Amino acid sequence: AQSVAQPEDQVNVAEGNPLTVKCTYSVSGNPYLFWYVQYPNRGLQFLLKYITGDNLVKGSYGFEAEFNKSQTSFHLKKPSALVSDSALYFCAVRDFFTGGGNKLTFGTGTQLKVEL
Amino acid sequence: DAGVIQSPRHEVTEMGQEVTLRCKPISGHNSLFWYRQTMMRGLELLIYFNNNVPIDDSGMPEDRFSAKMPNASFSTLKIQPSEPRDSAVYFCASSSLVGGLYTGELFFGEGSRLTVL
Repeated sequence: AQSVAQPEDQVNVAEGNPLTVKCTYSVSGNPYLFWYVQYPNRGLQFLLKYITGDNLVKGSYGFEAEFNKSQTSFHLKKPSALVSDSALYFCAVRDFFTGGGNKLTFGTGTQLKVEL
Repeated sequence: DAGVIQSPRHEVTEMGQEVTLRCKPISGHNSLFWYRQTMMRGLELLIYFNNNVPIDDSGMPEDRFSAKMPNASFSTLKIQPSEPRDSAVYFCASSSLVGGLYTGELFFGEGSRLTVL
């Protein structure tokens, strides 16, 4: 089965500094990878995805992610963090199944805290 | 577009009572998912539907849980009888085809926070 791992429960970064939230994946075949963000007491929101093409994927709110096949990683990055980026971030992988579909398996989540 | 609508947003009930959570997906979406989120277990996929048909319910914890999708615009998740360990936030999400292909993007509702005393 496809799976993703987020090795860090929490990441702390100062506002204005670059941030990285790590994700590694384990899939058979070509991976479909995603990042979602969850603000307190809200549902998850889609940030970006990698299906094919350029290894650097750009998404919402200035976030980007780098797909690295040799390291089986899909780390989320932002050049300059904002306090408002503080939230819970989930990496996800699409499971393939007969008939197609969007069954996603999520990682355990990483709490990002951006401080002044 | 109103997005995915879930009700109730909060529910507090006593052990043994029946709980029904409701979801209205985004109009035109043909896949619907129920997820459960807890601190201990994170996000778990309970069941998903394609074109109103349940495709995979292997994530449903036990027979106390059931889900239905009688039409394209409505789904329910029922717990009967409820137990304290069912306390969690339950999310509904929907998705659609774009150009004949699934995009992989799920649209989540705001969730239903269930507390079973």
